[in-house]
Amino acid sequence: DAKTTQPNSMESNEEEPVHLPCNHSTISGTDYIHWYRQLPSQGPEYVIHGLTSNVNNRMASLAIAEDRKSSTLILHRATLRDAAVYYCILRDVKTSYDKVIFGPGTSLSVIP
Amino acid sequence: EPEVTQTPSHQVTQMGQEVILRCVPISNHLYFYWYRQILGQKVEFLVSFYNNEISEKSEIFDDQFSVERPDGSNFTLKIRSTKLEDSAMYFCASIRESSGGTKQFFGPGTRLTVL
Repeated sequence: DAKTTQPNSMESNEEEPVHLPCNHSTISGTDYIHWYRQLPSQGPEYVIHGLTSNVNNRMASLAIAEDRKSSTLILHRATLRDAAVYYCILRDVKTSYDKVIFGPGTSLSVIP
Repeated sequence: EPEVTQTPSHQVTQMGQEVILRCVPISNHLYFYWYRQILGQKVEFLVSFYNNEISEKSEIFDDQFSVERPDGSNFTLKIRSTKLEDSAMYFCASIRESSGGTKQFFGPGTRLTVL
């Protein structure tokens, strides 16, 4: 699996937007960019994914660079409940049986 | 939204004992997974299961581990003779189809404590 690089930790003030960066310079043409998060003492939770175009859903937005070598997860208004570890993961459309390979992720703290 | 469920939420066992961790994946899903997370560490893939057989397993998944889908709804992870280092959170996950664009649904986890 192609590797991703994320900052170890980030802080945000409550009700402000948060931009979580991810670098994936070795991404292949068949890699999807996925984001998952893990709230304290809970299982990982899917957030969003995309291939080439920017994506929006009720949880977040995903901005993908034109060369696809980086992406940014955008939380439009951080709440205390968004404090979690966020994982940027590449998943190849051809990957056998689709396991998720987690890195260390970015630990997001939200300050009231 | 449908959920993956896991039981028990917390299991305490003595070293050397067998444990079975249970999962109920989402009903129309076809691919099933176990992951573990040792306290303070990252989530690690253990095994994937499709069409009633193991499709892939990691180095962690040695002969002490086994998985089974005994009926149409449950998916179990058995550890035959637990060791202290098996203490971790164990997460079950499932997906409907195998594709890089498919989101994986995770359960809330079972915390296994081996004494």
